[in-house]
Amino acid sequence: GQNIDQPTEMTATEGAIVQINCTYQTSGFNGLFWYQQHAGEAPTFLSYNVLDGLEEKGRFSSFLSRSKGYSYLLLKELQMKDSASYLCATTDSWGKLQFGAGTQVVVTP
Amino acid sequence: KAGVTQTPRYLIKTRGQQVTLSCSPISGHRSVSWYQQTPGQGLQFLFEYFSETQRNKGNFPGRFSGRQFSNSRSEMNVSTLELGDSALYLCASSLGGGGQHVPHTDTQYFGPGTRLTVL
Repeated sequence: GQNIDQPTEMTATEGAIVQINCTYQTSGFNGLFWYQQHAGEAPTFLSYNVLDGLEEKGRFSSFLSRSKGYSYLLLKELQMKDSASYLCATTDSWGKLQFGAGTQVVVTP
Repeated sequence: KAGVTQTPRYLIKTRGQQVTLSCSPISGHRSVSWYQQTPGQGLQFLFEYFSETQRNKGNFPGRFSGRQFSNSRSEMNVSTLELGDSALYLCASSLGGGGQHVPHTDTQYFGPGTRLTVL
């Protein structure tokens, strides 16, 4: 079966660091995406991991461990505009995305 | 490059009616995927089209159908609407390989969505 788990909500203060964990059990795994979605808007692409390890992109980093079925998204130097839902999604060899329920990150002043 | 566009942005229908939504992918993208997003179920995959052929299908009833045209534009149709079909319908486009997926080139880019309300 397909199962992707991530926390429902996380709260952090401006300037802090937040780590959003994602565990998955999906068949035909071929990579993991992270998307950001602001309320009422479309998801926007943040990062992609296919090999084990850390991918860094400015304030955002994403990590993958294929053997553990685990990924995390690290948001550094949090800004108010980072308040959004963060979606973890696995992809199979045909590019079919399977999404988690999303983690709502609330950044407080 | 222009992004993915979807029309209409908002739609109100009544039960039993049918609806057609349209999606224009990013220029050069040949794959279009459709998703339904609801507060309770999150983002769920409907189907994917590549070169006018349905390549992947999710677990939705036959009332949900789609097609893709030679210019890669896609439409999805929902017949006999039910209250539970109220949702945000998102399409996403990617370059789309002809066979094995190459994720770095097949990142999906989403359109703004069509908000469908069924009364």
